[in-house]
Amino acid sequence: GESVGLHLPTLSVQEGDNSIINCAYSNSASDYFIWYKQESGKGPQFIIDIRSNMDKRQGQRVTVLLNKTVKHLSLQIAATQPGDSAVYFCAENGTSYGKLTFGQGTILTVHP
Amino acid sequence: NAGVTQTPKFRVLKTGQSMTLLCAQDMNHEYMYWYRQDPGMGLRLIHYSVGEGTTAKGEVPDGYNVSRLKKQNFLLGLESAAPSQTSVYFCASSVGGNTEAFFGQGTRLTVV
Repeated sequence: GESVGLHLPTLSVQEGDNSIINCAYSNSASDYFIWYKQESGKGPQFIIDIRSNMDKRQGQRVTVLLNKTVKHLSLQIAATQPGDSAVYFCAENGTSYGKLTFGQGTILTVHP
Repeated sequence: NAGVTQTPKFRVLKTGQSMTLLCAQDMNHEYMYWYRQDPGMGLRLIHYSVGEGTTAKGEVPDGYNVSRLKKQNFLLGLESAAPSQTSVYFCASSVGGNTEAFFGQGTRLTVV
């Protein structure tokens, strides 16, 4: 079946470093992708999204890259801070309008 | 503007009992969703609604029912709770099917 997955389940970085979180997707029909951040005990929080007609989108300290050729999505966090420690999920809309499919998540730990 | 509000936040049920989880949003969103999240996993879609009076099955609908009688509310029902339904449940809403979804804080349900 179609799925969204992550290459690395955990990522540890030092404060100030740049972080890169990767996501592979298998549904070539997906045209909308979102990155969410989830802190312990809280609901997912929107970080940034990208549509399939783009290959890069930037936000505040975050950049999402989309490579449709290899079906790969990445989230780059610049100057990572301890407050960035959380679980990060990518999600795609797949072939069913309105139905986001989530990956397993990557645990990001930022050491002071 | 409270966003997405879920009640209750915590609940313990005995096997076979029934209960209803309430989700309310004040953003006038058309789409609403119910997800479950199990330890170490991403979110899985249970049911969703694309507008008042409509509901549709998601990835894991068995054992759950939903209703969307009012645009702002989306109810998730468990008719006969089972231990396999022990999970954290998240409600979300969005303007449309290919837009950012806003999540509630979650309901932690334990079935014993």
